[in-house]
Amino acid sequence: DIQMTQSPSSLSASVGDRVTITCRASQSISTYLNWYQQKPGKAPNLLIYVASTLQSGVPSRFSGSGSGTDFTLTISSLQPEDFATYYCQQSYSSPLTFGQGTKLEIK
Amino acid sequence: QVQLVQSGAEVKKPGSSVKVSCKVSGGIFSDYAVSWVRQAPGQGLEFVGGIIPRSGTTSHAEKFQDRVIISDDESTNTVYMDLGSLRFDDTAVYYCARTTSFGGWSPLVAWGQGTLVTVSS
Repeated sequence: DIQMTQSPSSLSASVGDRVTITCRASQSISTYLNWYQQKPGKAPNLLIYVASTLQSGVPSRFSGSGSGTDFTLTISSLQPEDFATYYCQQSYSSPLTFGQGTKLEIK
Repeated sequence: QVQLVQSGAEVKKPGSSVKVSCKVSGGIFSDYAVSWVRQAPGQGLEFVGGIIPRSGTTSHAEKFQDRVIISDDESTNTVYMDLGSLRFDDTAVYYCARTTSFGGWSPLVAWGQGTLVTVSS
């Protein structure tokens, strides 16, 4: 199985900050990388697919980049509703695998 | 608009099995994979398995290979996850999720509301 490693595991930031979360795959996955946001008690919500394509309805302050083994999710200017946990997930090969998550907290 | 509605919470004893359902409405049921993802309390997301209804192709994470059966009923647009030999650490919220990628497993665009499975003696 492909292992996905996110960093950091947690992050404190303020409204208006620019934030970057990193995801690394244990082998090359081309651009088969998706990002999800999850708020407490809710199902995850797809933000970005195939590394850099914004899902419909997702604000443009979210962006993704990368290919091969290294990927990033960037939030250009944090809003109060962005404080949540973020997960990367590879879809290069079955079974699907997720990163361990990055919890974004208010500073 | 695709909607996934899951069955209700379950409490099970160790060693027993649980069957969770996920009814899909909207879109063409057969064409798109439905996956099961679980989340133990305070933990991250973990892929359990999935099925592509049109072909009957299934996928499972290796750790669940001997214990999980994913099936579907095209007459009711419902996918099922049957997890056997339950252990205490199977306590989790189980989500079903559907892709819009034809022939693929993800991205997971539409999600069910989650089903809490509690394993307790």
